[in-house]
Amino acid sequence: AQSVTQPDIHITVSEGASLELRCNYSYGATPYLFWYVQSPGQGLQLLLKYFSGDTLVQGIKGFEAEFKRSQSSFNLRKPSVHWSDAAEYFCAVGAGAAGNKLTFGGGTRVLVKP
Amino acid sequence: SAVISQKPSRDICQRGTSLTIQCQVDSQVTMMFWYRQQPGQSLTLIATANQGSEATYESGFVIDKFPISRPNLTFSTLTVSNMSPEDSSIYLCSVKTGGNTIYFGEGSWLTVV
Repeated sequence: AQSVTQPDIHITVSEGASLELRCNYSYGATPYLFWYVQSPGQGLQLLLKYFSGDTLVQGIKGFEAEFKRSQSSFNLRKPSVHWSDAAEYFCAVGAGAAGNKLTFGGGTRVLVKP
Repeated sequence: SAVISQKPSRDICQRGTSLTIQCQVDSQVTMMFWYRQQPGQSLTLIATANQGSEATYESGFVIDKFPISRPNLTFSTLTVSNMSPEDSSIYLCSVKTGGNTIYFGEGSWLTVV
């Protein structure tokens, strides 16, 4: 069965600093990989996705993620964090037929210091 | 992309009662799903809502507790039956578009007292 691990439960960064969120997955086939963000009291917003092709994918809000098959990782990065980036971030792997069923990691809560 | 509307957005319910959550999508989609997010937790897939047939439930979820309907390609309902405080969660509708992208609604925040 597939699984996703987000090793960092909380991360605190200063505004303007860079951010990297780690995601490791376990899945026997080529994964469909997603990053979502959940702001307080909100639903999930898709940041970016990877299915195939270029292993560095660009998303919304200045985020990017890199797929590394050898490390089973799909880390999310942003070069300069804004206060509005404070939220919870979820990595997910799509399994089953065409990656329909998402398995989520436990999430990483990002706090942004002024 | 897809715009997904859920109703109700929030509700407080008495234990032992049932609540039906509606999910409306602004375009026809082939796949619709229901997820649960318990307080402070990640998301767990409840079931795949199949149009014109019975939903496909994940391990740990049963039809008697979470009956699901999907009468057409843009609408689905999830009922949480005989609720207990442990059912207090966010219930999220999700759809898969033609671009293999999966989008979520804003969620229905349910508190059972």
